[in-house]
Amino acid sequence: GAGVSQSPRYKVAKRGQDVALRCDPISGHVSLFWYQQALGQGPEFLTYFQNEAQLDKSGLPSDRFFAERPEGSVSTLKIQRTQQEDSAVYLCASSSTGTYSYEQYFGPGTRLTVT
Amino acid sequence: RKEVEQDPGPFNVPEGATVAFNCTYSNSASQSFFWYRQDCRKEPKLLMSVYSSGNEDGRFTAQLNRASQYISLLIRDSKLSDSATYLCVVGVRGNTPLVFGKGTRLSVIA
Repeated sequence: GAGVSQSPRYKVAKRGQDVALRCDPISGHVSLFWYQQALGQGPEFLTYFQNEAQLDKSGLPSDRFFAERPEGSVSTLKIQRTQQEDSAVYLCASSSTGTYSYEQYFGPGTRLTVT
Repeated sequence: RKEVEQDPGPFNVPEGATVAFNCTYSNSASQSFFWYRQDCRKEPKLLMSVYSSGNEDGRFTAQLNRASQYISLLIRDSKLSDSATYLCVVGVRGNTPLVFGKGTRLSVIA
């Protein structure tokens, strides 16, 4: 079946621009996660949704980052007034269960470069 | 101290070799453990979950030592296609996110 999809795959933004990154999880998956992966690092947690409820946003680095999942399926991660330090790969993952501690399946990521 | 620590490598091994990676975690309340594989410029893919009794999947064996808080991954008869970064991942039951190590890079050489 279809896996997790993300769009766009690559995004170049000028410093100060707003960007929106989209994630389509595996159909029927309850949990959706966003991660940020810098070069040479492992993914770092940003935020977690269980259906449409955002249960944890403790990893969002600043109030410029905002995520939503209004209908409990597709999610959007928005970054306002992008800065160079926002350059990273943004990964979305989904899981069939309503907990953190279960296998997660990742999308291909969006590579964001802020110039 | 990072919550999950791995030797970054790279481990350069010839085809057919056996290679082992270790990972240590700091949170003694951790309950779930995984190894993910990540190819260059690709997303992480689940390789295997790690159970207390240890588990094997073909050429791959994972072990968990709760007393010492470390997890290992053993790859036997390495193939060129095993070249990738291996991420150690730890979770605490409840409302706490999974924590990923930085990964260990493996290059299998012909």
